[in-house]
Amino acid sequence: GAVVSQHPSRVICKSGTSVKIECRSLDFQATTMFWYRQFPKQSLMLMATSNEGSKATYEQGVEKDKFLINHASLTLSTLTVTSAHPEDSSFYICSARVPGLAEDTQYFGPGTRLTVL
Amino acid sequence: GESVGLHLPTLSVQEGDNSIINCAYSNSASDYFIWYKQESGKGPQFIIDIRSNMDKRQGQRVTVLLNKTVKHLSLQIAATQPGDSAVYFCAENIRGGSQGNLIFGKGTKLSVKP
Repeated sequence: GAVVSQHPSRVICKSGTSVKIECRSLDFQATTMFWYRQFPKQSLMLMATSNEGSKATYEQGVEKDKFLINHASLTLSTLTVTSAHPEDSSFYICSARVPGLAEDTQYFGPGTRLTVL
Repeated sequence: GESVGLHLPTLSVQEGDNSIINCAYSNSASDYFIWYKQESGKGPQFIIDIRSNMDKRQGQRVTVLLNKTVKHLSLQIAATQPGDSAVYFCAENIRGGSQGNLIFGKGTKLSVKP
């Protein structure tokens, strides 16, 4: 099946620093990737849609200057949390649409646990 | 933001029994539905999907039922095993919707007793 990886799996940083999270499609090319955030015991909330070669589309209420998304290649999208604060601590998960399958099917990465001290 | 006091609905079953997890969706225009399994500290794992032109689809040990009249989706797991313990999310999508965005339900925690 389609494999999506994320790096790092876990990161702890100080308040005010920036953190970059990578999402890679390992065995396919993904023109569209999605970034979600999940707080404890809650569902996944879509943050933004990442499109290869163009600007990301952000959901309402998500600050695009705080959560920078770059989709520079067909296998890599990055999410940078800038000037992170403790309230940004969360589980960040990416997904990718798999070409050739049902257009709506998304496969998810393993997630990145961000803790901001 | 985070809701204080929020907890997931929990379904507790005995190993070997069948499990039924329910989901109500809100958008009558949704035409594609997916069930995901999420284990603690991991990303969601695709289980099974169904399109709105079907009312039932079977996989290995899992069956998804769709009732469009009452906007209800269910996941049936046969002979539930300890490895099935996880949080299960339903997700809906509108074909041709905003780049295929999925809308996730709140989730149900399945706990399997040995």
